[in-house]
Amino acid sequence: EVHLVESGGNLVQPGGSLRLSCSASGFNFYNYDLTWVRQAPGKGLEWVATIDPYATRKYYVDSVQGRFTLSRDNAGRSLYLQMNNLTDEDTAIYYCVRETFGVLDSWGQGTLVTVPS
Amino acid sequence: EIVLTQSPGTLYVSPGEGATLYCRASQSVGHNSLAWFQQKPGQSPRLLVYGASTRAAGIPDRFIGRGSGADFTLTISGLGPEDFGIYYCQQYSSLPRTFGQGTKVE
Repeated sequence: EVHLVESGGNLVQPGGSLRLSCSASGFNFYNYDLTWVRQAPGKGLEWVATIDPYATRKYYVDSVQGRFTLSRDNAGRSLYLQMNNLTDEDTAIYYCVRETFGVLDSWGQGTLVTVPS
Repeated sequence: EIVLTQSPGTLYVSPGEGATLYCRASQSVGHNSLAWFQQKPGQSPRLLVYGASTRAAGIPDRFIGRGSGADFTLTISGLGPEDFGIYYCQQYSSLPRTFGQGTKVE
């Protein structure tokens, strides 16, 4: 069974930094693209970033480009999202998601990032 | 960027009835790379349909996805209490990946 567990969410002041982690199990981690999707309180879903299996290609939504950085550790079966210069617009639950040929087929339970205004 | 517009915003349905949800794209979605997700309060989204019409593993056949190009629908027949929640469409044919704003079924 695919299992994705996010951690690292916290309350952080505007301009601060945070590193989210996602620990994976139940599938061949190094074979899949991985994605972060976020959801602001009471709002819809927003794709944030995607990384390919060997971290050769990384894609970001414009609003986080230059502030967020994706990385992964295939041996440790972990995905990371380094978030810098955070603003209140980054407040959201961040979901770690496995992609299969672009399809977001398995989701973690999410981790909450709060940046007060 | 492909903008997805879902309608209606809220759909009021009684248990046992059917419902059709709509998702319109601002431009054609390549290869019908359109997915539907269900989200219940306090839970992560769950994949229902991908490729516009293929049900994900374990999804009952009362969920039917249709459409091509820029117009897509998700039909749910015989709604049970477990089917109420928010439904999102999402395109994965181009970057940035985008989601519709959601349809709440209650």
